[in-house]
Amino acid sequence: DARVTQTPRHKVTEMGQEVTMRCQPILGHNTVFWYRQTMMQGLELLAYFRNRAPLDDSGMPKDRFSAEMPDATLATLKIQPSEPRDSAVYFCASGLGGAVHGYTFGSGTRLTVV
Amino acid sequence: AQTVTQSQPEMSVQEAETVTLSCTYDTSESDYYLFWYKQPPSRQMILVIRQEAYKQQNATENRFSVNFQKAAKSFSLKISDSQLGDAAMYFCAFVNSGGGADGLTFGKGTHLIIQP
Repeated sequence: DARVTQTPRHKVTEMGQEVTMRCQPILGHNTVFWYRQTMMQGLELLAYFRNRAPLDDSGMPKDRFSAEMPDATLATLKIQPSEPRDSAVYFCASGLGGAVHGYTFGSGTRLTVV
Repeated sequence: AQTVTQSQPEMSVQEAETVTLSCTYDTSESDYYLFWYKQPPSRQMILVIRQEAYKQQNATENRFSVNFQKAAKSFSLKISDSQLGDAAMYFCAFVNSGGGADGLTFGKGTHLIIQP
């Protein structure tokens, strides 16, 4: 089965450090999302791309977060500087243009900022 | 903005029994998609079932089926013959159609416990 690959699976870092999370969407999928999951807020949409172009990143704290798609096989989410409140599971999901087939999620990156 | 509400934080069912998870949503759109995702302890988000709003027929996938009531904006998930492997968090999700111009909006989830 085709899958969305996220790395790293776990990341522990100190406050103030830069964190980069990577996502390889399913080949041929042209829509990529980044979600953050916490116990308090649940699943929140941070950003999404269509054909590598950012369409919406209104859910993302702009001062420290950035999301990019340097090519069709790689999406990145960067936090600089990281803070303890950024501790969460970050999911990448990909899909075809329409939502009819739903979206396939990666296994997530569990980020812990100490 | 769309909202999705799952009113049952936790549900418990005996193995082999049937359980129904509730979901309501609020939208002004007429064309959209609804999904149920399963998240086991491995934290992988797994698509269980999907429903197109323009279809009146309820979707089914093996032991999983939905009761879609468009007028009531209700989208419940029924799991028949519950199995231990069904234990997980279940999330209801909504997305507008039109090329998926918006991301999925999720409910807070229902923790399903299967009693052996």
